[in-house]
Amino acid sequence: EAQVTQNPRYLITVTGKKLTVTCSQNMNHEYMSWYRQDPGLGLRQIYYSMNVEVTDKGDVPEGYKVSRKEKRNFPLILESPSPNQTSLYFCASSTGTKETQYFGPGTRLLVL
Amino acid sequence: DQQVKQNSPSLSVQEGRISILNCDYTNSMFDYFLWYKKYPAEGPTFLISISSIKDKNEDGRFTVFLNKSAKHLSLHIVPSQPGDSAVYFCAASVRNTGNQFYFGTGTSLTVIP
Repeated sequence: EAQVTQNPRYLITVTGKKLTVTCSQNMNHEYMSWYRQDPGLGLRQIYYSMNVEVTDKGDVPEGYKVSRKEKRNFPLILESPSPNQTSLYFCASSTGTKETQYFGPGTRLLVL
Repeated sequence: DQQVKQNSPSLSVQEGRISILNCDYTNSMFDYFLWYKKYPAEGPTFLISISSIKDKNEDGRFTVFLNKSAKHLSLHIVPSQPGDSAVYFCAASVRNTGNQFYFGTGTSLTVIP
């Protein structure tokens, strides 16, 4: 089944404790993105990647890092999480900029 | 600054009637627009898209209209069904600038049986 998977689905952590949210897709897509969804702000793009080792900042990249060492994986790293990073995070992938993005099920993060 | 805006947070429609969801944008460079649908506890799923070279795109019960001069697009759902109850996001991008997308804040549609 073609899908985008994210782990963990739910995470509670404390300020400053490094964490990684994994994202994997099995569709051989070149393009991948991370978004966060917040009430009243909709979905905002954090980072995107157009291929292995090619990443670029989205609208709200501060406090986040990403890496794209393999085509299928695009982890989101929070080196020192803060409470304002409490949010619902989505990973997405697509075959190109004109193409449909397929979203993962989301990761709900709470930073205390 | 929000470049894509959905000014109606919610909309209720009777089953069988038309649902019209609206979206405005500020960046005249946007040339590709999409609508996504999102159910609770799931990721958004693609619904329909339109390129700036068109003013209308239709897919079954869903039609998207684009008014470039007004920087406005709308999604029409006819007839509305209870299963259409979800949050709808519009999104926009400039195709030649990578994979950057801008989403609106979403409109929660409730279709009343």
